[in-house]
Amino acid sequence: DTAVSQTPKYLVTQMGNDKSIKCEQNLGHDTMYWYKQDSKKFLKIMFSYNNKELIINETVPNRFSPKSPDKAHLNLHINSLELGDSAVYFCASSQGHRGVRTEAFFGQGTRLTVV
Amino acid sequence: TQLLEQSPQFLSIQEGENLTVYCNSSSVFSSLQWYRQEPGEGPVLLVTVVTGGEVKKLKRLTFQFGDARKDSSLHITAAQTGDTGLYLCAGFMDSNYQLIWGAGTKLIIKP
Repeated sequence: DTAVSQTPKYLVTQMGNDKSIKCEQNLGHDTMYWYKQDSKKFLKIMFSYNNKELIINETVPNRFSPKSPDKAHLNLHINSLELGDSAVYFCASSQGHRGVRTEAFFGQGTRLTVV
Repeated sequence: TQLLEQSPQFLSIQEGENLTVYCNSSSVFSSLQWYRQEPGEGPVLLVTVVTGGEVKKLKRLTFQFGDARKDSSLHITAAQTGDTGLYLCAGFMDSNYQLIWGAGTKLIIKP
């Protein structure tokens, strides 16, 4: 069973469209994250939720809106997609978020291409 | 400005050679983690180092945390083709409970 699963794995869409990426974890973790990895492979955190509560909200356009219906799910909705949104988006989870040994478990990523 | 600088950005060597990649910062971290990412996959944790000067070994991989907890190194002995991947370091800042990521070292081991 996949620990952190996100769908879809690939997403090609036109500029201006609205799209969602779904993420589910079956590890029983209480913290989930969305990361963006650009073409240079730099991982940048976008959002973090702990027990469905938003705890990290980095400076991302408000076209990006995370939604956590429960501890096991953190979805990412993107409005009015732009070319610069093309990247690989990773969902991750961890047990807690304050410990120095906090280990992040990542999904396989969603490669978003905006044309 | 990146808080964590990784070097080299890219390394291609022959199987059997040794190599070291570095992760440097001017900031102090509570801990430092190394992840490996393979194409089409998410990063997977290799090790966490917490104490300044700490050395951890994982088979042919040796990880060291700097004494001042600002830098780390990963040394691979007798590299194998299976070591190919993107190696990422991430420092944990307990001031804001965030992992700060380096840009990665892309390692290719040629047979």
